[in-house]
Amino acid sequence: DAKTTQPPSMDCAEGRAANLPCNHSTISGNEYVYWYRQIHSQGPQYIIHGLKNNETNEMASLIITEDRKSSTLILPHATLRDTAVYYCIVRPPLYGGSQGNLIFGKGTKLSVKP
Amino acid sequence: DADVTQTPRNRITKTGKRIMLECSQTKGHDRMYWYRQDPGLGLRLIYYSFDVKDINKGEISDGYSVSRQAQAKFSLSLESAIPNQTALYFCATSDPERNTGELFFGEGSRLTVL
Repeated sequence: DAKTTQPPSMDCAEGRAANLPCNHSTISGNEYVYWYRQIHSQGPQYIIHGLKNNETNEMASLIITEDRKSSTLILPHATLRDTAVYYCIVRPPLYGGSQGNLIFGKGTKLSVKP
Repeated sequence: DADVTQTPRNRITKTGKRIMLECSQTKGHDRMYWYRQDPGLGLRLIYYSFDVKDINKGEISDGYSVSRQAQAKFSLSLESAIPNQTALYFCATSDPERNTGELFFGEGSRLTVL
């Protein structure tokens, strides 16, 4: 089972900031938080990831609480093209010398409206 | 051209038929994955391969097999397709040198088993 909890759906007005929450209360100290999105039925697209500190790139910002039990993905100026399903993923810790694998949950369907 | 290419993009077949979905990548990544997506269930990992000689089962490997023919090619087979294998299938790659866990996905193969 996925280790994250996200609301099933959210709406956002075009041009406004979209704030997508994610709970990961059982996260381990060495696990990263990843965000991906999937537009319609295309392949998922990586957005951003972080461990402890807040992160920002050209697509979004990631805010992780100090206790690391939750995070928020921020799309600062949402456009219609940002309508997608957004997945918050906690990466399992390394084991056996191999990299852990990303396990996707059900995500949040974000609808950006004109 | 896409970095991760899946063929076929769409396939309709009948119960009991053998089906192969192919994935090729030009990213030079050692690690490749096959995921399955069903409506409302996110993505589930079927098989993954960390190099040509390494094959590992994922969450839902029953009824599937894989072949890693080369670094760039990873095929998924359904030896005897059944209707509940109707789904959208995604191939993905990752670069262990970066150790970030970022996955790069293909555009998907939609399989319908009648």
